[in-house]
Amino acid sequence: DGGITQSPKYLFRKEGQNVTLSCEQNLNHDAMYWYRQDPGQGLRLIYYSQIVNDFQKGDIAEGYSVSREKKESFPLTVTSAQKNPTAFYLCASESEVTTEAFFGQGTRLTVV
Amino acid sequence: QKEVEQDPGPLSVPEGAIVSLNCTYSNSAFQYFMWYRQYSRKGPELLMYTYSSGNKEDGRFTAQVDKSSKYISLFIRDSQPSDSATYLCAIAKTSYDKVIFGPGTSLSVIP
Repeated sequence: DGGITQSPKYLFRKEGQNVTLSCEQNLNHDAMYWYRQDPGQGLRLIYYSQIVNDFQKGDIAEGYSVSREKKESFPLTVTSAQKNPTAFYLCASESEVTTEAFFGQGTRLTVV
Repeated sequence: QKEVEQDPGPLSVPEGAIVSLNCTYSNSAFQYFMWYRQYSRKGPELLMYTYSSGNKEDGRFTAQVDKSSKYISLFIRDSQPSDSATYLCAIAKTSYDKVIFGPGTSLSVIP
């Protein structure tokens, strides 16, 4: 099945720790995105990558880092510098032909 | 001014009602218009996709784009409780541009 997979589904982090969220796609899309969604709010863009080995900051990149070493993978690291990391994180890949974005099922990160 | 705006609701309607969801956008360069549906605690899924102006119908759903007014709409006929979700509009200028999402409208369809 083609799609986009995020793991883990739930993640708990202690304050001061870095954590990495996984995002893998087998849709052969060049473009991939990370969004943050807080309760009752829309999607806020953290980082995006339009090609391997290249990525750009989105609207709320502070406290986050990414890498894009492979086309299929776009992991997001939430660093200890992110002051309010508890949120629902969504990864997406985008078709260059239609602009349709395919989303993973999300990772819910909670700082304990 | 935000690039795309959407009334967050919440919107509550009785089962069987016609629902109208709307977004406005600021830049006439946008050519691609989409509606996503997001159930609670799930990732959004594409519902409707339109290129340029006009209407597109898919079952009970109709997407409408009015580029002269920079206004996009999603109509849901004979709404069902299973339609209860958050609906996000999304726009893009070209197929290579990043997609910009509206904040979403929360819809509840009451049996």
